[in-house]
Amino acid sequence: AQTIHQWPVAEIKAVGSPLSLGCTIKGKSSPNLYWYWQATGGTLQQLFYSITVGQVESVVQLNLSASRPKDDQFILSTEKLLLSHSGFYLCAWSLGWDQDTQYFGPGTRLLVL
Amino acid sequence: DAKTTQPDSMESTEGETVHLPCSHATISGNEYIYWYRQVPLQGPEYVTHGLQQNTTNSMAFLAIASDRKSSTLILPHVSLRDAAVYHCILRVVSNYNVLYFGSGTKLTVEP
Repeated sequence: AQTIHQWPVAEIKAVGSPLSLGCTIKGKSSPNLYWYWQATGGTLQQLFYSITVGQVESVVQLNLSASRPKDDQFILSTEKLLLSHSGFYLCAWSLGWDQDTQYFGPGTRLLVL
Repeated sequence: DAKTTQPDSMESTEGETVHLPCSHATISGNEYIYWYRQVPLQGPEYVTHGLQQNTTNSMAFLAIASDRKSSTLILPHVSLRDAAVYHCILRVVSNYNVLYFGSGTKLTVEP
């Protein structure tokens, strides 16, 4: 069975500090991976997607970047956090493109002060 | 961009069958209808999806209108665990897999 793990579970960070959020998929090789963000009380927005190691495409720019250093790992980061980065970050995976279902991880809560 | 319309909220009682409507009047032929549900502070959970034919699984029955301009997610015998925000999403089968979430329907289930 596939498992998706996100870390950390929650974090409180200062404005201007760096951020690194991680996502790992186990039990599935070469998945497509996605990052989503949800502001408190807001709707989910897809930020990035990746179909293979080393390749990441941006969907929405929020002064964030993403990387895929390993087949099963997806990283979301920024060098300088903004207050507007607060929210709920979700990682998702799918097998491919065609009528493919995305499965979501448990998420990371981020509060920027 | 979300191209679906759903009621903001619906209420039900445990054991009832709930019908969650979704309007997608401008749906294209290559767009699938996906349903996810989300409870606070958790990731969305896949419920079901369909293209033209009605579909059923262990969680729900998806009824799609013959003109595909609307669909209804039917949840039989709801329990308290079914309380969530239900999202109806159109997804184009293309070279990337982007889901556009709207505000969904908040389903409340009373004991």
